[in-house]
Amino acid sequence: AQRVTQPEKLLSVFKGAPVELKCNYSYSGSPELFWYVQYSRQRLQLLLRHISRESIKGFTADLNKRETSFHLKKPFAQEEDSAMYYCALRSGSARQLTFGSGTQLTVLP
Amino acid sequence: ETGVTQSPTHLIKTRGQQVTLRCSSQSGHNTVSWYQQALGQGPQFIFQYYREEENGRGNFPPRFSGLQFPNYSSELNVNALELDDSALYLCASSLAGRGAADTQYFGPGTRLTVL
Repeated sequence: AQRVTQPEKLLSVFKGAPVELKCNYSYSGSPELFWYVQYSRQRLQLLLRHISRESIKGFTADLNKRETSFHLKKPFAQEEDSAMYYCALRSGSARQLTFGSGTQLTVLP
Repeated sequence: ETGVTQSPTHLIKTRGQQVTLRCSSQSGHNTVSWYQQALGQGPQFIFQYYREEENGRGNFPPRFSGLQFPNYSSELNVNALELDDSALYLCASSLAGRGAADTQYFGPGTRLTVL
C-alpha cells in the first residue's frame, strides 16, 4: 500500500532563510507526487506537481526515486509562505490522492 | 469559472444519526472525490464518483455512501454516525483524463461534529 510521510509537524524559519519541507513516500509503482498548500482560512490548493518540473512562488521539488523523496525547497522564505503544506501521492484506478499528515511552516520576521 | 462549493459549512449531529453532505463541482469537471480530514491529519480518500458511478473507494465502511448527479454535483451520506466520524469532509472535483486538467480542486469543506 502507498504511504506518504512528512516527518516534521512544525517548522519555523526566519524570513530570508532557506526552507526545506521533507516528504518521503512508499509506493511500488511509478509515483505521481504533488505538494498542496493551505493558507490560513483558505482551501487546500495545488502548489506544484513533480511532472511539471516547475517553480511556483519560488518553491521547487525534485523527485528522488532512489531515496523515495520529494522534498519541497525555497531558497529565501517569505512571511507569506507561512501555511500548512501537504505532500500527496496519486495512485489507483481513481487516481486518488494519499496525503501526508502535513507540515505547518511558520516564517518569522 | 465557478469553484467547488460545499454545504453546509458546519454540522452537529449525535451518535447514531445520519448525515448528508453536498458538493457542487467546478464548472466543466465531471469527477468528484471525497476526503475525510481528522484533526491534525492529512485528508484521507473516501471514494470517487465519475459519470454517476463509484470509481474507487478507500478504506471506509459501507455506511459511507455517495451519489453523483447528472450535473456532476455529489452527495456524501454517512449512516449510524460514530464519534470518530467527527472531521472535516472535503470534496474535490477534477476532469477525468491525463494532464493538467486532471488536477483535483478542493472545496472549503464541511466540518462535522458528532456528539
